[in-house]
Amino acid sequence: NAGVTQTPKFQVLKTGQSMTLQCAQDMNHNSMYWYRQDPGMGLRLIYYSASEGTTDKGEVPNGYNVSRLNKREFSLRLESAAPSQTSVYFCASSERGRATGGYTFGSGTRLTVV
Amino acid sequence: AQRVTQPEKLLSVFKGAPVELKCNYSYSGSPELFWYVQYSRQRLQLLLRHISRESIKGFTADLNKGETSFHLKKPFAQEEDSAMYYCALLNSGGSNYKLTFGKGTLLTVNP
Repeated sequence: NAGVTQTPKFQVLKTGQSMTLQCAQDMNHNSMYWYRQDPGMGLRLIYYSASEGTTDKGEVPNGYNVSRLNKREFSLRLESAAPSQTSVYFCASSERGRATGGYTFGSGTRLTVV
Repeated sequence: AQRVTQPEKLLSVFKGAPVELKCNYSYSGSPELFWYVQYSRQRLQLLLRHISRESIKGFTADLNKGETSFHLKKPFAQEEDSAMYYCALLNSGGSNYKLTFGKGTLLTVNP
């Protein structure tokens, strides 16, 4: 049982390049999330998808787009990378509803934009 | 607006000493709070949730609604407890549920 799988694990981009971060979960969770983690800033929500077919902006959506391809997959796209997007990106998934609330996280993608 | 505050960026204790990681929250509804832990360069893992009233790896946390706090405690710290700890608040807006995280506290347990 893999849980939440993110690819790639590391990436270096030049300013202006585009790329897509992939995330897949095999737990049949309804909700999926993308966070970025920066020193001293904690985790900040970029976008989330409460269920298949829906996506919503989080706290820091500018410069990003997302696609909920199906129930398993939720991708994050940087159309024109900027140095300010250098960060560690985490994907997470959860069941909907207050009964659980706990997230399962992927292992992260360490992105550097030069 | 919902907010989670972890006042200490860094906390250093010696092995065997008690440890308390502070977390305060601001939320208009009935809060549901969690502690997550991230060991060096690993993924975040759920440590405990207040609704379970559980003790994991010797850690406990009690929700104090009067003080709007959810501090994480352990009576005797171990070196393997060294990690980044995040307090998180479940934010339910309509049918959407998402976690708001604090900025984290880096705990170092010295031998």
